[in-house]
Amino acid sequence: NAGVTQTPKFQVLKTGQSMTLQCAQDMNHNSMYWYRQDPGMGLRLIYYSASEGTTDKGEVPNGYNVSRLNKREFSLRLESAAPSQTSVYFCASSEAGKNSPLHFGNGTRLTVT
Amino acid sequence: GQQVMQIPQYQHVQEGEDFTTYCNSSTTLSNIQWYKQRPGGHPVFLIQLVKSGEVKKQKRLTFQFGEAKKNSSLHITATQTTDVGTYFCAPLSTDSWGKLQFGAGTQVVVTP
Repeated sequence: NAGVTQTPKFQVLKTGQSMTLQCAQDMNHNSMYWYRQDPGMGLRLIYYSASEGTTDKGEVPNGYNVSRLNKREFSLRLESAAPSQTSVYFCASSEAGKNSPLHFGNGTRLTVT
Repeated sequence: GQQVMQIPQYQHVQEGEDFTTYCNSSTTLSNIQWYKQRPGGHPVFLIQLVKSGEVKKQKRLTFQFGEAKKNSSLHITATQTTDVGTYFCAPLSTDSWGKLQFGAGTQVVVTP
């Protein structure tokens, strides 16, 4: 099984450009998440989806939108990229419930110039 | 909101030595998870603690949940070069579901 697959792996954008980060999981998990990771700040939750058809804001949602396309896929969109959004983005999934560990994808390294 | 502090931020360890990293919360936790991220990699789940005072071991790693469920620790004995990476705690407070927030992590460097 592939687990959690993220595309692309690397991306360079100019300020103001838009793009969508794709994430898909093949573990039949109900919940999916988007985190960003910046040096010294750990992982910060952007958005999450507890189940298909629902999405909720995390700690740092400004400048992002998400779509839970179906149970497998959860995309993250940057409508107008800013240099402050330069980061490594991780998608994760988990079974429903508080006690479920997260399974992470390999990440997307995004640079906004 | 929930405040999570993970200390130390950096840990340089001589191979063979022991070390401990701590995770402290300002609120009572429902449970806490620990993850390890190798350099250039993604976080990988290690363990989950649920009960007050719980202690779990994975080979040379010992995880502990505080009696008040407000703090946790990870102790590694006889550190090896394979222990290099960043260790994150991810506490879940009693009043939030799904918003698993991570500590800033402890970056571990092992010198031979």
